[in-house]
Amino acid sequence: DSGVTQTPKHLITATGQRVTLRCSPRSGDLSVYWYQQSLDQGLQFLIQYYNGEERAKGNILERFSAQQFPDLHSELNLSSLELGDSALYFCASTTTGTANTGELFFGEGSRLTVL
Amino acid sequence: AQSVTQLGSHVSVSEGALVLLRCNYSSSVPPYLFWYVQYPNQGLQLLLKYTSAATLVKGINGFEAEFKKSETSFHLTKPSAHMSDAAEYFCALGHTGGFKTIFGAGTRLFVKA
Repeated sequence: DSGVTQTPKHLITATGQRVTLRCSPRSGDLSVYWYQQSLDQGLQFLIQYYNGEERAKGNILERFSAQQFPDLHSELNLSSLELGDSALYFCASTTTGTANTGELFFGEGSRLTVL
Repeated sequence: AQSVTQLGSHVSVSEGALVLLRCNYSSSVPPYLFWYVQYPNQGLQLLLKYTSAATLVKGINGFEAEFKKSETSFHLTKPSAHMSDAAEYFCALGHTGGFKTIFGAGTRLFVKA
C-alpha cells in the first residue's frame, strides 16, 4: 500500500460527459502528480501541483483541468469526454517540490471507460 | 531534449534465467534514473533509483541496475527470474531542478515455467 488513495477505481461514462477523479496523497506529501496511461500513448505526465499551486504542466488537454485543495487532496476534471480519453489515470505524490530528488508514490489508478 | 528509450516492449525468459531489461536515456544535464514496476491492476512502485551516488544500484526483489554514462544506459538485471517477476517495468528519467519525471514506454516481462 503506497498510501496514495484514488477514487473511483472504475468509471464508465458516455461521450460528451464530465467526470471527476479524486486523489488523496500520502500523509505529509505536498506534491501531487497526474499521469494518464493508455495502450497507445504509454504513461503520459499531465500536471503537477505543489502545496495548492500548479507547478508543471505536461500533455494535458484543454478539456482537462485539475486543482489541489487546502487539505492537499487533488481532483482531475475531464470534460467533453471522447472515446480516446479511455485510459488509466494515476495520481502520484512525493514530499518535495520536485519529483526528481526521490521516489514517486503511485495510487492504484482510476480506470475510465468512455462509451 | 530529455528522453527515455526502453528496448523491447516484451521480454520473455524462463524461470531461473537471467533477466535483462534495457533502458537508454538522453539528457543534457546529470540525470536521475529510476526503475518502476507495475503488477497487474496496480500502480507503479519503485524498484530502484540512481541519484549520482554509486553507479551500481541495488533494489528490491533482487533487481539491480548499473548507470553507464558513456553508454547513456541504465539496464535492469536480475540473475534468476521468478514467476512473480512477471510485470511491466518502466525506466524513468529526472534531473535536478526539474519537475517532470519522464517515463519510458515500458517493457512487459513474461516468465515461463
